[in-house]
Amino acid sequence: EPEVTQTPSHQVTQMGQEVILRCVPISNHLYFYWYRQILGQKVEFLVSFYNNEISEKSEIFDDQFSVERPDGSNFTLKIRSTKLEDSAMYFCASSETTIYNEQFFGPGTRLTVL
Amino acid sequence: KNQVEQSPQSLIILEGKNCTLQCNYTVSPFSNLRWYKQDTGRGPVSLTIMTFSENTKSNGRYTATLDADTKQSSLHITASQLSDSASYICVVSVGQAGTALIFGKGTTLSVSS
Repeated sequence: EPEVTQTPSHQVTQMGQEVILRCVPISNHLYFYWYRQILGQKVEFLVSFYNNEISEKSEIFDDQFSVERPDGSNFTLKIRSTKLEDSAMYFCASSETTIYNEQFFGPGTRLTVL
Repeated sequence: KNQVEQSPQSLIILEGKNCTLQCNYTVSPFSNLRWYKQDTGRGPVSLTIMTFSENTKSNGRYTATLDADTKQSSLHITASQLSDSASYICVVSVGQAGTALIFGKGTTLSVSS
């Protein structure tokens, strides 16, 4: 069964450093998403992406964040200058279409900012 | 402000018993409502998706209901199994494109033998 994969599973970085989280969505899916979940809190929407541009984004997704689909398979989330409060589990998801379609989530990348 | 509230926060039941989880939402514009199951340290897995015109949706032992007038939903789990122990999250899809998901905090279900 096809699945969303994410690398690395755990990333440790120093405050102020740039990090890139990588995701490989399901191959025939057209919509891609990033979410984050701070430990013990609810999952929060960051951004949705379609046709090489951002479809929707939340207030959390400020200028420190960017997304890119550098090739036909990868979807990345970049945090330019990490802060302590960026420590969280980051989930990538993909779906065939939008509104009524199921979003399939990857296993997540745990980001720890020291 | 878009909000999704769930109750109870946690629940402990015996294996084989049924349970019902509740969700209230205040979102605009509403697109659809989803229930997800999330095991600890894993990504959420979709259980059901309902539009405002659907009242009930089943997936095996999981049955979700939706009352769009009162903005309430429930998830009923029948004949619980130990593997049902997880967090159950109510999620509402909002926005023009319907891609932004608003998550509740979840109900942590523990099924014991």
